[in-house]
Amino acid sequence: EADIYQTPRYLVIGTGKKITLECSQTMGHDKMYWYQQDPGMELHLIHYSYGVNSTEKGDLSSESTVSRIRTEHFPLTLESARPSHTSQYLCASRADSNNSPLHFGNGTRLTVT
Amino acid sequence: KNQVEQSPQSLIILEGKNCTLQCNYTVSPFSNLRWYKQDTGRGPVSLTIMTFSENTKSNGRYTATLDADTKQSSLHITASQLSDSASYICVVSERSQAGTALIFGKGTTLSVSS
Repeated sequence: EADIYQTPRYLVIGTGKKITLECSQTMGHDKMYWYQQDPGMELHLIHYSYGVNSTEKGDLSSESTVSRIRTEHFPLTLESARPSHTSQYLCASRADSNNSPLHFGNGTRLTVT
Repeated sequence: KNQVEQSPQSLIILEGKNCTLQCNYTVSPFSNLRWYKQDTGRGPVSLTIMTFSENTKSNGRYTATLDADTKQSSLHITASQLSDSASYICVVSERSQAGTALIFGKGTTLSVSS
């Protein structure tokens, strides 16, 4: 079982609220990722980081931001939530080798009303 | 455009039966292909990785194959169990100068019934 944790597991909030989804890993991985997953669809990369103070946007346009102040912590923030942000958010990390697997957290299911 | 197509989209089988899931890709240049299992309410977990030179690899009741010439992979599950009910996701790594990019399939949802 991978040591990567996401909180909260479920979140229901109103439109316009600011939220932060937490993600922490204890494996010392430099590479961390945020994916969005909707039913029946492939995972879409929204942000990634290759180390402390390094963050990049992924393929999916997103109104969220991330930070990487510590190796183990990679929070994702939505400044103003909208119903279109309703989705499952998965955090992952992996070791530096290109053949290393992604280790996923159990996700945060976000509902914006 | 690099794509990963999985079939079938969903599958229902009886406990104890075998099944095969397919993954076709157009990713180039190819680095590796990995199968993940995602249980309901959980994150995906890696089952196996296939590199260019590998044709077959087994992990317990799971056997993955790779045909790099036709760009096809399959995941065969033998003697299915109720716990095999999950979504199975095929992920192909594209090798590039910037590093590697991961291309995800939409997954196959497997339901094993008693």
